[in-house]
Amino acid sequence: DAGVTQSPTHLIKTRGQHVTLRCSPISGHKSVSWYQQVLGQGPQFIFQYYEKEERGRGNFPDRFSARQFPNYSSELNVNALLLGDSALYLCASSLPGTPLHGGGYTFGSGTRLTVV
Amino acid sequence: GENVEQHPSTLSVQEGDSAVIKCTYSDSASNYFPWYKQELGKGPQLIIDIRSNVGEKKDQRIAVTLNKTAKHFSLHITETQPEDSAVYFCAASMTGTSYDKVIFGPGTSLSVIP
Repeated sequence: DAGVTQSPTHLIKTRGQHVTLRCSPISGHKSVSWYQQVLGQGPQFIFQYYEKEERGRGNFPDRFSARQFPNYSSELNVNALLLGDSALYLCASSLPGTPLHGGGYTFGSGTRLTVV
Repeated sequence: GENVEQHPSTLSVQEGDSAVIKCTYSDSASNYFPWYKQELGKGPQLIIDIRSNVGEKKDQRIAVTLNKTAKHFSLHITETQPEDSAVYFCAASMTGTSYDKVIFGPGTSLSVIP
């Protein structure tokens, strides 16, 4: 079975540019969450989407947006990039409510974004 | 707001010894506590989890304990092996039917010395 796939794996952008990151969840998983992991820190929650609707949002500015498609894949968009946006962006998929029954998140390997 | 603290930030043990990582959480509504292992260049991988109605859970060399009153939970790894070397994250969440917001601790870098 394919796990959570993210693309691209690495990219370099210039300050002020826009970036789109993509995620395909595990087959059958309808919920996708996005996390930002700055080097040396734990992942920070950005968004959770379920059935194409935003279900939760972390403490991130409006420059960050996301959407989920009918096939449950997802895109994370970041506008007006800042140097501080440099991080590993992780996508995780889950069956909603799964943690109540065990299972948790399955993470992808992430997209390493460098803003110069 | 929600917060998860984790100690120690780095831990070095001899192969075969035990390792213990401790976490505290702030949101008393949290009801699910997963632990993730992250190896270099990879995303976090779930290794064990515990729910709020359980005090202890064990899976081979790994065990977790939860003290809801004190809002503490811990990871215990026995008979450590070099392949246990990685960064470990504790996390806490208050899960619902369609919304699970998982708050991660800052991580513990574990080194197992052969």
